[in-house]
Amino acid sequence: GNSVTQMEGPVTLSEEAFLTINCTYTATGYPSLFWYVQYPGEGLQLLLKATKADDKGSNKGFEATYRKETTSFHLEKGSVQVSDSAVYFCALSSNTGKLIFGQGTTLQVKP
Amino acid sequence: IAGITQAPTSQILAAGRRMTLRCTQDMRHNAMYWYRQDLGLGLRLIHYSNTAGTTGKGEVPDGYSVSRANTDDFPLTLASAVPSQTSVYFCASSDGPKGSYTFGSGTRLTVV
Repeated sequence: GNSVTQMEGPVTLSEEAFLTINCTYTATGYPSLFWYVQYPGEGLQLLLKATKADDKGSNKGFEATYRKETTSFHLEKGSVQVSDSAVYFCALSSNTGKLIFGQGTTLQVKP
Repeated sequence: IAGITQAPTSQILAAGRRMTLRCTQDMRHNAMYWYRQDLGLGLRLIHYSNTAGTTGKGEVPDGYSVSRANTDDFPLTLASAVPSQTSVYFCASSDGPKGSYTFGSGTRLTVV
């Protein structure tokens, strides 16, 4: 079946550090891939997405590239800020339309 | 209303009681979903509806029921709450297969 695996957190970084959160997936067919972010006390918000192999999604300085050969969609940001502290979820959407989420990775950025 | 509205925001419920979590969207999305979020487990799909009048079971449907009488509303009912249903519940909608989801702000439910 379809599944998503994220690196375990929490991830603690200093401000302006480089961020990578690993995400790999297992899926049949050609899923769309997503990163969602959840700020404290809020619901999930779409951060970025990619719908086919080699697509790069980007938003707010975050990037992720759909790598079919390694079944990965790692999230990166060159310089994190305290305001980026949140829980990040990798997800895939199969042809049935249902999103399958990873377990989430908590990022804490310290000044 | 803008997006998805969930109610109540939080609730403490005695075990054995019946509870309905409300979800309303104003985007005319066909598909709607209910997830529960538990620490270390991410979000797990409870029930979904691809269009008004149809519903389906997700990964963890036991103890929950849903209905979809119209496009906008998708209530989730716990017929007889148990402590293991303590969780944060999120409603979401999407505009089609492989489309991105819009989430509500969640309902924090504690069953005691």
